Amino acid sequence: QKEVEQNSGPLSVPEGAIASLNCTYSDRGSQSFFWYRQYSGKSPELIMSIYSNGDKEDGRFTAQLNKASQYVSLLIRDSQPSDSATYLCAVLKAAGNKLTFGGGTRVLVKP
Amino acid sequence: NAGVTQTPKFRILKIGQSMTLQCTQDMNHNYMYWYRQDPGMGLKLIYYSVGAGITDKGEVPNGYNVSRSTTEDFPLRLELAAPSQTSVYFCASTDSYNSPLHFGNGTRLTVT
Repeated sequence: QKEVEQNSGPLSVPEGAIASLNCTYSDRGSQSFFWYRQYSGKSPELIMSIYSNGDKEDGRFTAQLNKASQYVSLLIRDSQPSDSATYLCAVLKAAGNKLTFGGGTRVLVKP
Repeated sequence: NAGVTQTPKFRILKIGQSMTLQCTQDMNHNYMYWYRQDPGMGLKLIYYSVGAGITDKGEVPNGYNVSRSTTEDFPLRLELAAPSQTSVYFCASTDSYNSPLHFGNGTRLTVT
């Protein structure tokens, strides 16, 4: 089992729809969770960080964390073509200072 | 602030050559990281540092070495380059172990 798992996609959504991305992790003691967006050929950029159970909203983005079920999700509302990118889930394990990334989910927003 | 600066942006190496990827940050961050990203994949941690003089191995350290003599700089050394080291290398830094990472623009390395 991979430490952080994501569906590689591509996830194709029409413009204006909601994109839903999921991420599961294996270390039950993980404490910090991050979503990064990465455009092709560019470096990752932070979209959202979440540290406690529940929802966290920032503009069109909502992160949801459920530590009991060991998953974290990202919702993108009113998806735009500019949201087309790869979304990386990253998890900080309970022990150590190492941030582990999932393989990423490629999102395609079609006009 | 320049943030995290990586040089070079691109490099082609022949098998068996060596090189150093440079990374410097001007945010006075204690934590610095080196990741590699193979095509279509996520990031894999090579080495990290929690402060000057302190380094530790990540998930894929074989074939690489690091040093951290100052807070600002965290160079990554490739000895005896192999085709398996063809990848994009990202350096990142943060001020606290559970804070988001700030990434450099990456170095695209090809070993032939």
